[in-house]
Amino acid sequence: GAGVSQTPSNKVTEKGKYVELRCDPISGHTALYWYRQSLGQGPEFLIYFQGTGAADDSGLPNDRFFAVRPEGSVSTLKIQRTERGDSAVYLCASSFGTGADTQYFGPGTRLTVL
Amino acid sequence: GENVEQHPSTLSVQEGDSAVIKCTYSDSASNYFPWYKQELGKRPQLIIDIRSNVGEKKDQRIAVTLNKTAKHFSLHITETQPEDSAVYFCAATQGGSQGNLIFGKGTKLSVKP
Repeated sequence: GAGVSQTPSNKVTEKGKYVELRCDPISGHTALYWYRQSLGQGPEFLIYFQGTGAADDSGLPNDRFFAVRPEGSVSTLKIQRTERGDSAVYLCASSFGTGADTQYFGPGTRLTVL
Repeated sequence: GENVEQHPSTLSVQEGDSAVIKCTYSDSASNYFPWYKQELGKRPQLIIDIRSNVGEKKDQRIAVTLNKTAKHFSLHITETQPEDSAVYFCAATQGGSQGNLIFGKGTKLSVKP
């Protein structure tokens, strides 16, 4: 079946602009995760959803970052007033459940803030 | 919170040799430890994982060992091939019931033909 998909694959924006990044998880997966990966680093946890609710948003760096998953499937990560330091690859993953379930990653969205 | 340390940061081996990558974690409640392989510009791909009720798991040329007492786990690749060249990340769950993973900084493995 189809894997996790993310759109857009690349996003270039100017400092101060608003961006939305989309994630389509594997069908039937109830858990969805957002990570951020900077060059040469491992993925860094941002937020995860169990169904429609954010189960843990402790990784969001500040209140410019927000994510939603209104119907328990597709999720959108929203970044307001982007800064150059927000440039990274934003990865989404999904799993059937939480805890010790395998997480499958999407291809990521490369965000560049000029 | 959980902290995961990974060593070495780079590893170069000859084709056919073995490669070992080691990780330590800090949260004794962590119960799931996956390893991901990431090629340049690609998504992380799960290669093997281990849960805290098991000490060792093997899948063909890849094996993982877990020492819960010492809070460390290792990836072993035998008979390495050039296509094994990539960055490998270890990870651990944050706590026992949380799903989010805390990743190590990665090991860049180069297999020379």
